[in-house]
Amino acid sequence: AQKVTQAQTEISVVEKEDVTLDCVYETRDTTYYLFWYKQPPSGELVFLIRRNSFDEQNEISGRYSWNFQKSTSSFNFTITASQVVDSAVYFCALSSSGGSYIPTFGRGTSLIVHP
Amino acid sequence: DSGVTQTPKHLITATGQRVTLRCSPRSGDLSVYWYQQSLDQGLQFLIQYYNGEERAKGNILERFSAQQFPDLHSELNLSSLELGDSALYFCASSLQGRADTQYFGPGTRLTVL
Repeated sequence: AQKVTQAQTEISVVEKEDVTLDCVYETRDTTYYLFWYKQPPSGELVFLIRRNSFDEQNEISGRYSWNFQKSTSSFNFTITASQVVDSAVYFCALSSSGGSYIPTFGRGTSLIVHP
Repeated sequence: DSGVTQTPKHLITATGQRVTLRCSPRSGDLSVYWYQQSLDQGLQFLIQYYNGEERAKGNILERFSAQQFPDLHSELNLSSLELGDSALYFCASSLQGRADTQYFGPGTRLTVL
């Protein structure tokens, strides 16, 4: 069975602060894929990133960066210099052959960025 | 805009009724997934279709059914609706369906009164 844990239910920051959203996963498969999605107040789910288990390189995209560490089964997401528009619920997800490649989503972390 | 479309955006109906939600995948995507998002259950996978055939089933109630048509659009049918079926229903699509990234539609918000 696969599992994704996002222990932070809600994070509140002030604009321009850096914030890290934690994601811890469990899977018995050696090949798996990790995802982050953003759900703004409007409701749609927006794809942010996909990483496979063989690629542990950290990735940076503008103010967003992701830290993948297999040793701790974590795939954390950092927003640098947060902005009000970053306010959303962020979901981490895992898919693997053991789960028929159907993503298992965490419960989400609600990020509130105050001006 | 993900390229996945869902209609209607909002649906309000009464208990016991039946509704149909519609999804058109991104151009070229063969796989369609349906999810239910509620406050207490989070984002739950319901069912997946690939090129017209059912490929995987999740926590889908017997009152719910889905199909994917030859033009690859999909419909989710919800019958004998209960108050607890009120939720946001998402459709997602992916190219093949194996470890591909899923792109989500805007969702249909269903309210059962």
